[in-house]
Amino acid sequence: EAGVTQFPSHSVIEKGQTVTLRCDPISGHDNLYWYRRVMGKEIKFLLHFVKESKQDESGMPNNRFLAERTGGTYSTLKVQPAELEDSGVYFCASSQTGGASTDTQYFGPGTRLTVL
Amino acid sequence: AQSVAQPEDQVNVAEGNPLTVKCTYSVSGNPYLFWYVQYPNRGLQFLLKYITGDNLVKGSYGFEAEFNKSQTSFHLKKPSALVSDSALYFCAVRDLRINYGQNFVFGPGTRLSVLP
Repeated sequence: EAGVTQFPSHSVIEKGQTVTLRCDPISGHDNLYWYRRVMGKEIKFLLHFVKESKQDESGMPNNRFLAERTGGTYSTLKVQPAELEDSGVYFCASSQTGGASTDTQYFGPGTRLTVL
Repeated sequence: AQSVAQPEDQVNVAEGNPLTVKCTYSVSGNPYLFWYVQYPNRGLQFLLKYITGDNLVKGSYGFEAEFNKSQTSFHLKKPSALVSDSALYFCAVRDLRINYGQNFVFGPGTRLSVLP
């Protein structure tokens, strides 16, 4: 069974540019989460999809971030325009249908974003 | 507010010796506790979780963790460390009162180095 995949693995962009990160969850997982780790600090929750619907987006830092999950399969996270403080590692995770709080979330390898 | 502390940024241990990576948490309700490990250039891998029942939880790669409610701790342990255990370890908690426990709150991570 393939795990959670993320693309790209690394992205280097200049301040003001746009970047789109992609996450493909484990097949059949309705729950998809985005997290990020900034500057070696703790990993912070960004948002949670159940299928194509946003269940919780309370962790999104501001309106420069837009997440979508059209069709309830893969998800994209767009940052527009990127700022220096957006640099960090963006993780995606998925969990099985039902999304109980006891479910294990399976994480992708992350996308390392560097904004210059 | 819920939070997770990992008081040690770095833990060094000799191969073959027992290891402990510490984690304490603060939540209002009953906690669901998890440990994840991140190897270089890899995503977070699930190690073990405590939901309910026996306070001693056994997980992958010979790791175990003990839930201590009175001390609000969930320390990760292994009787005999291997050089291959060297990685970044994250403790995480879920609070059922926040989005039905869907989101993780992570600790800042502890880097474990096992010396040959």
